[in-house]
Amino acid sequence: GAVVSQHPSRVICKSGTSVKIECRSLDFQATTMFWYRQFPKQSLMLMATSNEGSKATYEQGVEKDKFLINHASLTLSTLTVTSAHPEDSSFYICSADRDSGTEAFFGQGTRLTVV
Amino acid sequence: LAKTTQPISMDSYEGQEVNITCSHNNIATNDYITWYQQFPSQGPRFIIQGYKTKVTNEVASLFIPADRKSSTLSLPRVSLSDTAVYYCLVGDSGDYKLSFGAGTTVTVRA
Repeated sequence: GAVVSQHPSRVICKSGTSVKIECRSLDFQATTMFWYRQFPKQSLMLMATSNEGSKATYEQGVEKDKFLINHASLTLSTLTVTSAHPEDSSFYICSADRDSGTEAFFGQGTRLTVV
Repeated sequence: LAKTTQPISMDSYEGQEVNITCSHNNIATNDYITWYQQFPSQGPRFIIQGYKTKVTNEVASLFIPADRKSSTLSLPRVSLSDTAVYYCLVGDSGDYKLSFGAGTTVTVRA
């Protein structure tokens, strides 16, 4: 099956710093990738849709200036959490679609802890 | 995206069959039904997808009645490693913008 890889799997950062999370589709090209956030004991919440070569589309309530998304190639999307605060601590997950398929493929997730 | 309703949790024992029913009364003609499995601190993993009647693969079966307003995921002979959260999603096959509901936490005991 298709593979989507996220890096890092776990990161701890200090308040006020920025953290970049990478999402790569390893064996297929992904025109569109999606970023989700998941708090403990809760479901996944879609944050934004990352489009290759164009601006990301953010869901209502998600600050685009805080969560910077770049989709520079068909195999890589990055999410940068800027000026991180403890309340940004969460599990961030990306997914990608393969045009010829009917299912979404998810990365293994990134656990962000802001101290 | 059609809203889904599924039980919050289910308990089972090793070797038993687990059936999780998902309601999706507002499913549209072009919508498929997809189930994902998620273990703690991991991304969701695709289990099965169907449009109508019955679909079976190496890990599960999906039963969809004629009106398609519900679907049942069947996990045969579960093991401890099947303890996870299971999500039912409904959407167009070309729509990967997925809206996750609360999911069903399945706990398998020895």
